[in-house]
Amino acid sequence: NAGVTQTPKFRVLKTGQSMTLLCAQDMNHEYMYWYRQDPGMGLRLIHYSVGEGTTAKGEVPDGYNVSRLKKQNFLLGLESAAPSQTSVYFCASSHRSVQRQETQYFGPGTRLLVL
Amino acid sequence: GQSLEQPSEVTAVEGAIVQINCTYQTSGFYGLSWYQQHDGGAPTFLSYNALDGLEETGRFSSFLSRSDSYGYLLLQELQMKDSASYFCAVKKRAAGNKLTFGGGTRVLVKP
Repeated sequence: NAGVTQTPKFRVLKTGQSMTLLCAQDMNHEYMYWYRQDPGMGLRLIHYSVGEGTTAKGEVPDGYNVSRLKKQNFLLGLESAAPSQTSVYFCASSHRSVQRQETQYFGPGTRLLVL
Repeated sequence: GQSLEQPSEVTAVEGAIVQINCTYQTSGFYGLSWYQQHDGGAPTFLSYNALDGLEETGRFSSFLSRSDSYGYLLLQELQMKDSASYFCAVKKRAAGNKLTFGGGTRVLVKP
């Protein structure tokens, strides 16, 4: 199993450009998440999904959109990139959880630089 | 709202013991997780505490006191490969499996 994969690994954008980050998981997980991590800081949740066709906002959703058309894929879109969106983006997935802890499995990250 | 506090950096020598504290303020607390992240790498799960007490996994242990809104991660017999950042994360009730992460503690292990 590949686990959680992300494409691309690295990207440079100019202000105002758009792009889509792709996350794929082969563990049949119901939940998927997009985080951003800025230098020396923790992870902040952008958007998440609890199942195919559903998405919800996290802590810092502004400037991003997401879609989950297939259970194994979770796309993060930037419609008009801004320098403040320069960050490392991590995708994660987990089994559905109601009462107990389910480990989140992270992808390798996408490093995005917006000039 | 919610917030998690943990020290920004800890330095220790090989073979030593390091304790990373995490205090949290949150409503609807359900459990505390710990993740490890090496430079340039992805976070990986270490441990989870839903109940008060100590959970041991090899050289690493995690503790939780719900009444004190406090937990810690204990790293024993430190090895060079333990140099990494360690994040505590809170799971809230009725939040699916969403986590809120602390700012992370960078552990530097010296020979």
